[in-house]
Amino acid sequence: AQSVSQHNHHVILSEAASLELGCNYSYGGTVNLFWYVQYPGQHLQLLLKYFSGDPLVKGIKGFEAEFIKSKFSFNLRKPSVQWSDTAEYFCAVNARRSQGNLIFGKGTKLSVKP
Amino acid sequence: ETGVTQSPTHLIKTRGQQVTLRCSSQSGHNTVSWYQQALGQGPQFIFQYYREEENGRGNFPPRFSGLQFPNYSSELNVNALELDDSALYLCASSLGISGGPYEQYFGPGTRLTVT
Repeated sequence: AQSVSQHNHHVILSEAASLELGCNYSYGGTVNLFWYVQYPGQHLQLLLKYFSGDPLVKGIKGFEAEFIKSKFSFNLRKPSVQWSDTAEYFCAVNARRSQGNLIFGKGTKLSVKP
Repeated sequence: ETGVTQSPTHLIKTRGQQVTLRCSSQSGHNTVSWYQQALGQGPQFIFQYYREEENGRGNFPPRFSGLQFPNYSSELNVNALELDDSALYLCASSLGISGGPYEQYFGPGTRLTVT
């Protein structure tokens, strides 16, 4: 069965620090990859996505992610975080031509100290 | 452009009762997916509807059922509620089925509490 692992449950950073959140998935075939963000009191929003092409994907608010197929990874990065990045971040995967199944990781809570 | 909307926002039910949750998809989207999100967990896929037909189902019992209407809005029905059904129920819509190059857009969710 497919699964998604997010390595960190809670990350605490100071403003201007660099961020990298890990995401690994288990599935041998071709996948679509997503990062979603949930700000406090708000609903899940798409941060970025990968379907094909350049494995380095840029999303909103300065976030980027790199798909490394050989490592089954899709890590999220931001060079300099802001207090407003405080949120919960979810990695999600679905297999190409699958039936409906978008698999989410358990999420990483990011707290940015001003 | 109107986003995904869900109703009601909050709901309290008693064990054994039945509940219906509603979702309106984003304009132009023909696919709706439902997820259950327990506290401290990521969303878990319940099922997906594409053009009024079920297109995939997660590991949920048959007492979780759904419908999609011709306008692509959708309902999630849960019969014989159990305490463990307490969760945030999320609806997401997309331009096509999962597996294709389509992202899902999520609604704000319905918080269900079963007592």
